[in-house]
Amino acid sequence: SQTIHQWPATLVQPVGSPLSLECTVEGTSNPNLYWYRQAAGRGLQLLFYSVGIGQISSEVPQNLSASRPQDRQFILSSKKLLLSDSGFYLCAWGRGTGGYEQYFGPGTRLTVT
Amino acid sequence: QKEVEQDPGPLSVPEGAIVSLNCTYSNSAFQYFMWYRQYSRKGPELLMYTYSSGNKEDGRFTAQVDKSSKYISLFIRDSQPSDSATYLCAMSGNTGGFKTIFGAGTRLFVKA
Repeated sequence: SQTIHQWPATLVQPVGSPLSLECTVEGTSNPNLYWYRQAAGRGLQLLFYSVGIGQISSEVPQNLSASRPQDRQFILSSKKLLLSDSGFYLCAWGRGTGGYEQYFGPGTRLTVT
Repeated sequence: QKEVEQDPGPLSVPEGAIVSLNCTYSNSAFQYFMWYRQYSRKGPELLMYTYSSGNKEDGRFTAQVDKSSKYISLFIRDSQPSDSATYLCAMSGNTGGFKTIFGAGTRLFVKA
């Protein structure tokens, strides 16, 4: 069976500090990978998606970046965090081209102070 | 106008009630319609998805899609306290790429 891991689970970082969130998937190969952010009381906002190693598409221009150095590893980064970067970050994997079957990790709760 | 509208609730029902959760949307290009369940401080869990119009049933859950009205529903029969969660609708289709649009979620409380 497939499993998806995210770490850390919670993170408190000062404004201007760097960020690195990691996501790994087990039990499948060549998955589509996604990074979402969920603000309180709001829907999921797609940040990045990837259909293969080194292939990243950005949905929202901002101070975040993503990389996929290995088939089942997806990393979300920032050089300098902003207060507005606080939120619940979710990684998901999926199959198929319709984006209709996505499986989410446990999430990382980021608080920027 | 948002692409997907979902009443945030909260919706409170007694145990055993039939629950109806709904979303409306504006983009006629959506072809896949999904429902996710999210417990507090957890990642969303895919409950079911349907393609185009029609109904789909899975245990106590039934999803309905009416593309002519741009309206989707999730029905939960014999609701249980363990069904208390936030329910997110989501949609995707030939809108260019792999983008899935999520509703803001409806908070459901099932009282024992």
